[in-house]
Amino acid sequence: EDQVTQSPEALRLQEGESSSLNCSYTVSGLRGLFWYRQDPGKGPEFLFTLYSAGEEKEKERLKATLTKKESFLHITAPKPEDSATYLCAVQTLMKAAGNKLTFGGGTRVLVKP
Amino acid sequence: NAGVTQTPKFRILKIGQSMTLQCTQDMNHNYMYWYRQDPGMGLKLIYYSVGAGITDKGEVPNGYNVSRSTTEDFPLRLELAAPSQTSVYFCASSAHGGSTDTQYFGPGTRLTVL
Repeated sequence: EDQVTQSPEALRLQEGESSSLNCSYTVSGLRGLFWYRQDPGKGPEFLFTLYSAGEEKEKERLKATLTKKESFLHITAPKPEDSATYLCAVQTLMKAAGNKLTFGGGTRVLVKP
Repeated sequence: NAGVTQTPKFRILKIGQSMTLQCTQDMNHNYMYWYRQDPGMGLKLIYYSVGAGITDKGEVPNGYNVSRSTTEDFPLRLELAAPSQTSVYFCASSAHGGSTDTQYFGPGTRLTVL
């Protein structure tokens, strides 16, 4: 069974204080690892997909990296607007067709000014 | 493009009542999905569809039904609501189901069953 674990569950940062979120996974047949951002009362918003170990992607203050067992989301010099829950998900092939996303529980990030 | 839209945003049901959660996408995506999200838990797949007329069960299908008569719409039906169905429901869509596919989510429906 595919499993995704995110840590920490919650993270409080001062504005400008860089940090990293962890997503560890066990899966057979990884098709991609996804990071989403979710604001309170909203749906998940797509950030990145990583497909192979060693791959990195960046968007503004966010940088995602991937190894064979885990992914990290690095937040550099965060601002209050980076406060959100960050979700990690692994994509695998469903039995007949299409992709299944297995999500972790998320990391709630609060950036204080 | 509006993307994925869901109605209603909020709903309170009594035990045993029925309702339909609506989902529409305007991106001409073939694949559509229903997830539920419980506090502190990851999203769980309820049902999915690979095209009009084709649906299949996900991880947690019990108590739900779906249909897909058009490419754009994928309603989720709760027949006999139970407190265990209190959750936030998200609809998602994706283009082609291939290895580089990306799922895009709607804003969610918050359902409470009392």
